[in-house]
Amino acid sequence: GESVGLHLPTLSVQEGDNSIINCAYSNSASDYFIWYKQESGKGPQFIIDIRSNMDKRQGQRVTVLLNKTVKHLSLQIAATQPGDSAVYFCAERAGRRALTFGSGTRLQVQP
Amino acid sequence: DTGVSQDPRHKITKRGQNVTFRCDPISEHNRLYWYRQTLGQGPEFLTYFQNEAQLEKSRLLSDRFSAERPKGSFSTLEIQRTEQGDSAMYLCASSLGGATNEKLFFGSGTQLSVL
Repeated sequence: GESVGLHLPTLSVQEGDNSIINCAYSNSASDYFIWYKQESGKGPQFIIDIRSNMDKRQGQRVTVLLNKTVKHLSLQIAATQPGDSAVYFCAERAGRRALTFGSGTRLQVQP
Repeated sequence: DTGVSQDPRHKITKRGQNVTFRCDPISEHNRLYWYRQTLGQGPEFLTYFQNEAQLEKSRLLSDRFSAERPKGSFSTLEIQRTEQGDSAMYLCASSLGGATNEKLFFGSGTQLSVL
């Protein structure tokens, strides 16, 4: 399959460490945010979402933090595994508009 | 596998030819989206349907592009007179629209190469 994100910012972590992927957004009207994971040759896969009336949401091994004051979103992955290696995108939506994606971060997990 | 299927997975065509892609969404989803993704970039919105109605189009969708969802189920995206700049991954997504926390489920995409 095609490789996604050949020139993306890359975060390299050791297996078992925690990972933090950051995303800045610009639209102060955005009220819903999603993190997607994309592996080579596949479409984006939903990980976790958060609405603007929250500042933290936890899933299985993942946590999303939202700071509306500075328009910043982060994805924390606990105990990172080799299967977490992928490109991660944040996406935002304002009202009924379509999701707008950021430019992505490549996560490389070293065994 | 999200349940959204796209066909074909890969398409190679010569400049100037027309191409058509198909997307079959998750059956109970009323919304269907088309996005385009180039290397190193996030997906860019093209258009979306609620049932059979096309509700929004991006300015990326030039007049060479047309999308249909005739019966509110599957959708097709046609590109006429393809150009090399059309080379990209074309992604389809579906959702249960209407909720603030509407989640999009993506297919694996159609990779278009225009020679």
